[in-house]
Amino acid sequence: DGGITQSPKYLFRKEGQNVTLSCEQNLNHDAMYWYRQDPGQGLRLIYYSQIVNDFQKGDIAEGYSVSREKKESFPLTVTSAQKNPTAFYLCASSPLGQLMNTEAFFGQGTRLTVV
Amino acid sequence: AQSVTQLGSHVSVSEGALVLLRCNYSSSVPPYLFWYVQYPNQGLQLLLKYTTGATLVKGINGFEAEFKKSETSFHLTKPSAHMSDAAEYFCAVSDMGGAQKLVFGQGTRLTINP
Repeated sequence: DGGITQSPKYLFRKEGQNVTLSCEQNLNHDAMYWYRQDPGQGLRLIYYSQIVNDFQKGDIAEGYSVSREKKESFPLTVTSAQKNPTAFYLCASSPLGQLMNTEAFFGQGTRLTVV
Repeated sequence: AQSVTQLGSHVSVSEGALVLLRCNYSSSVPPYLFWYVQYPNQGLQLLLKYTTGATLVKGINGFEAEFKKSETSFHLTKPSAHMSDAAEYFCAVSDMGGAQKLVFGQGTRLTINP
């Protein structure tokens, strides 16, 4: 079945440590996205990538880094510079080169907790 | 830049009652609009979308939404609520700036009372 896989589902990190969240898709989508979700704040865009080896900052990129070495993969690293990393992180993908009416497909999310 | 406002962070209705979740958008060009649903600790699932054509859009699980350009609204409705509709709902608009990314509202948590 085609879809987006995020792992792990739950992640605990000590303060000062970097941690990497995995996102893999087998939908052959060009574009991939990372969103952060906090209660009452909806979804905020961290980074997005429209093509391999290229990515752009979203609205809240500080303290995060990404890579896009393969079309299928878009890992997110939460660095120690992120002051408040505890949140629910959602990865999404969508086709590119089509009209803007295509929806994004979401993974099941990773809940990161700093302890 | 596009933006979305969802009126009411929490909505509570009785089972069998009408569900109305409000969404207003801001866009300088004709928008593409979406409603997504999220169940606890899950990703988002598309309910319905408006692109062009008919302004009344039907989605999954009996939901529908009407695009009203004059009111810049895209409210989500369901005639009769079911307990399984309890979830968080997000309205979103496509960013027309070339990046093909979604801008989301703050979300509305729907509670169904028995």
